[in-house]
Amino acid sequence: SQQGEEDPQALSIQEGENATMNCSYKTSINNLQWYRQNSGRGLVHLILIRSNEREKHSGRLRVTLDTSKKSSSLLITASRAADTASYFCATTQTSGSRLTFGEGTQLTVNP
Amino acid sequence: KAGVTQTPRYLIKTRGQQVTLSCSPISGHRSVSWYQQTPGQGLQFLFEYFSETQRNKGNFPGRFSGRQFSNSRSEMNVSTLELGDSALYLCASSLEGGGDEKLFFGSGTQLSVL
Repeated sequence: SQQGEEDPQALSIQEGENATMNCSYKTSINNLQWYRQNSGRGLVHLILIRSNEREKHSGRLRVTLDTSKKSSSLLITASRAADTASYFCATTQTSGSRLTFGEGTQLTVNP
Repeated sequence: KAGVTQTPRYLIKTRGQQVTLSCSPISGHRSVSWYQQTPGQGLQFLFEYFSETQRNKGNFPGRFSGRQFSNSRSEMNVSTLELGDSALYLCASSLEGGGDEKLFFGSGTQLSVL
């Protein structure tokens, strides 16, 4: 089964609005990453946050990590139509080395 | 630097056939991982290769196999294809692997089994 579960499964917003996606996981992790995927293409790495970090920023992206709740959120500010894509969280467990992906959130940004 | 290259981009096969997919990692990357992506199961880890050795393996039947060459290029093979093997197969590379690095993905091979 997937390590990560994402919420919501789908999100539709207007350009300029903020988009927030959440990810929950089950076991202790070393780090958590967020990836983006345009339809039928490969994934693109967005940001990596380590288990000892609580918040990280990259451009219009803000990621938070709460290890006590085993959850993370990805905030995209001032969204653009080009942000339309699927967003996945991925975790590396403390006991392993592989990345395990969540089910993804399909974000649609309407112009 | 060139990105991760996967060939072919699309593939159509019939049940019972076998297929070989190829992945060329970013120059200097020694770890190559393979993932299967389907609408129902999402992204499932197949295996990871590092320095020509399989370092990690997911829960897939033995029909799924792979290998890595001395130049870090990797191939995966699926024998006796089933309808359920229809999926987007993604390859990803990183410098050393191990889960603490970001992965660089290819565009994938879309396999359709008829």
